[in-house]
Amino acid sequence: DIQMTQSPSSLSASVGDRVTITCRASQNIANYLNWYQQKPGKAPKLLIYGTFSLESGVPSRFSGSGSGTDFTLTISSLQPEDFATYYCQQSYTTPPYTFGQGTKLEIK
Amino acid sequence: QVHLQESGPGLVKPSGTLSLTCAVSGGSISSSYWWSWIRQSPGKGLEWIGGIYHSGNTNYNPSLKSRVTMSVDKSKNQFSLKLSSVTAADTAVYYCARDTTVTVTFDIWGQGTMVTVSS
Repeated sequence: DIQMTQSPSSLSASVGDRVTITCRASQNIANYLNWYQQKPGKAPKLLIYGTFSLESGVPSRFSGSGSGTDFTLTISSLQPEDFATYYCQQSYTTPPYTFGQGTKLEIK
Repeated sequence: QVHLQESGPGLVKPSGTLSLTCAVSGGSISSSYWWSWIRQSPGKGLEWIGGIYHSGNTNYNPSLKSRVTMSVDKSKNQFSLKLSSVTAADTAVYYCARDTTVTVTFDIWGQGTMVTVSS
């Protein structure tokens, strides 16, 4: 299985801050990398697919980059509603499709 | 707007079979998507269980394959999950989700249902 490792596991930041979350794959996954946001008691919500593409309705302050094994999710200016847990997920070739362990973004 | 809703028992006895159904509304299960089950437990995070196409084709996570069966009921516009020989390790929130197929992106999720394995 392809292992996905996120860093940091948790992060404290303030409204207005620029935040970057990293996801590393255990092998080359090209650009088959998606990002999700999850709030307590809710299902994950798709933010970015194919490394770069913003899901419809997602604010433009969210962006993704990377290729191969190293990927980042950037929030350019944190808003109060952005405090949540973020997960990466790889979808390269055959199953299983695996997720990172999550990064919890908390208010400083 | 497509909406997914999980249903099924919230409590299953050890060694029993977990059975869940996901009802699809606002769209057809026979459209060009795969339909997946994903679970989330504190110990293992998010885990993809498997997916099914309306034709009945399936893909299962190899780690669960021996215990998983998925099926589609096109007449009811729903799909189902059966997980046999459950243990406490199968206690989790179970989500159904739509998979956009080409990029295996889960773009629509159900609200999730908590299943506890306990006697």
